[in-house]
Amino acid sequence: QKEVEQNSGPLSVPEGAIASLNCTYSDRGSQSFFWYRQYSGKSPELIMSIYSNGDKEDGRFTAQLNKASQYVSLLIRDSQPSDSATYLCAVTNTGGFKTIFGAGTRLFVKA
Amino acid sequence: SQTIHQWPATLVQPVGSPLSLECTVEGTSNPNLYWYRQAAGRGLQLLFYSVGIGQISSEVPQNLSASRPQDRQFILSSKKLLLSDSGFYLCAWSVPGQGWAEAFFGQGTRLTVV
Repeated sequence: QKEVEQNSGPLSVPEGAIASLNCTYSDRGSQSFFWYRQYSGKSPELIMSIYSNGDKEDGRFTAQLNKASQYVSLLIRDSQPSDSATYLCAVTNTGGFKTIFGAGTRLFVKA
Repeated sequence: SQTIHQWPATLVQPVGSPLSLECTVEGTSNPNLYWYRQAAGRGLQLLFYSVGIGQISSEVPQNLSASRPQDRQFILSSKKLLLSDSGFYLCAWSVPGQGWAEAFFGQGTRLTVV
């Protein structure tokens, strides 16, 4: 089992729709969870972090965490063409020494 | 504020040649440091991480090595490159401590082994 799993996509949504990205992880001791956005040819940039169960909202982005189910998700409301990118789910290991990334989900927002 | 510098941005090297990529962090002390590799169209693979000077943990057996000669300097090396070493190499840092460790990335080095 991979440590962090994501659907590779591509996920295609129309402009203005909600994009839903999902991630599962295997380390039950993980305490920190992140979503990164990576444009083609660029390095990943952090867009959301979440540490406790429930929802966390930041602008058009909402991260959701369910530790019992070992599940993290990212919702992007009012999707824009500029949101087209690969979204990487990342999880720290027990102890917080290292961050493990999923393979990423490619998102296409159609104008 | 903290910044991370990684160079060079692009590199083309012949098979069998050595490699040295350098990364430095400014504005923080004793950061956790990481080297990741991303093959074309793939996710990020953790290669090495370091929690302090001279402390290197290797995640994947390969012909690469890492060193941390100074607190905020992290170097990725190889004595002889393979074609399979081609990829996008990313250095990252995070604040040490349990419970939270956002990783912040450098601009990356795109390595092509020919």
